[in-house]
Amino acid sequence: DQQVKQNSPSLSVQEGRISILNCDYTNSMFDYFLWYKKYPAEGPTFLISISSIKDKNEDGRFTVFLNKSAKHLSLHIVPSQPGDSAVYFCAVPTNNAGNMLTFGGGTRLMVKP
Amino acid sequence: EAGVTQFPSHSVIEKGQTVTLRCDPISGHDNLYWYRRVMGKEIKFLLHFVKESKQDESGMPNNRFLAERTGGTYSTLKVQPAELEDSGVYFCASSQWTSAYNEQFFGPGTRLTVL
Repeated sequence: DQQVKQNSPSLSVQEGRISILNCDYTNSMFDYFLWYKKYPAEGPTFLISISSIKDKNEDGRFTVFLNKSAKHLSLHIVPSQPGDSAVYFCAVPTNNAGNMLTFGGGTRLMVKP
Repeated sequence: EAGVTQFPSHSVIEKGQTVTLRCDPISGHDNLYWYRRVMGKEIKFLLHFVKESKQDESGMPNNRFLAERTGGTYSTLKVQPAELEDSGVYFCASSQWTSAYNEQFFGPGTRLTVL
């Protein structure tokens, strides 16, 4: 059973509009969440994270929201730019040491000019 | 500063053959991780080295996979004999500290195709 799920495999958004990527998790004990971005033929790169003691973390155009009661997090990108087109993965450290990442299946974002 | 590098970028082999993937972490990073992504699905953890020691190999699928990190620098992941279901992209990552939530830097991956 997947511990981290991204139910939308793809999302298409117009440049300048908001992109919202969603992620659900199963274990209420998870206390740290990350978003990675991946371009073709490259490895994932860290984008933004949030601790479970917060419900929002913002970094420029990127904001992550955490809803612990719903076991749901989302990544908002505003305004979206064509260079944001990539696959976005949510990830959670799931071992006691906090360094084994469990990833969702990814959402491919396409931002149209 | 050089990032995580992986070699080869692509490998195509036949079922039953052996393949060895190599990862060079960022210099000074004691922690090295292997992950793989099969059939465009989620990226799954395989194992974690701290220097030359295996810290966690709970994600290794079976004994056809052997990872080594002699000397605590680069690492190799050998698949012997390869099966069709081993096809996918194998990512290596490294981090400086062993502490929780330390950022992991990923390499570009090796795309393995088993025919």
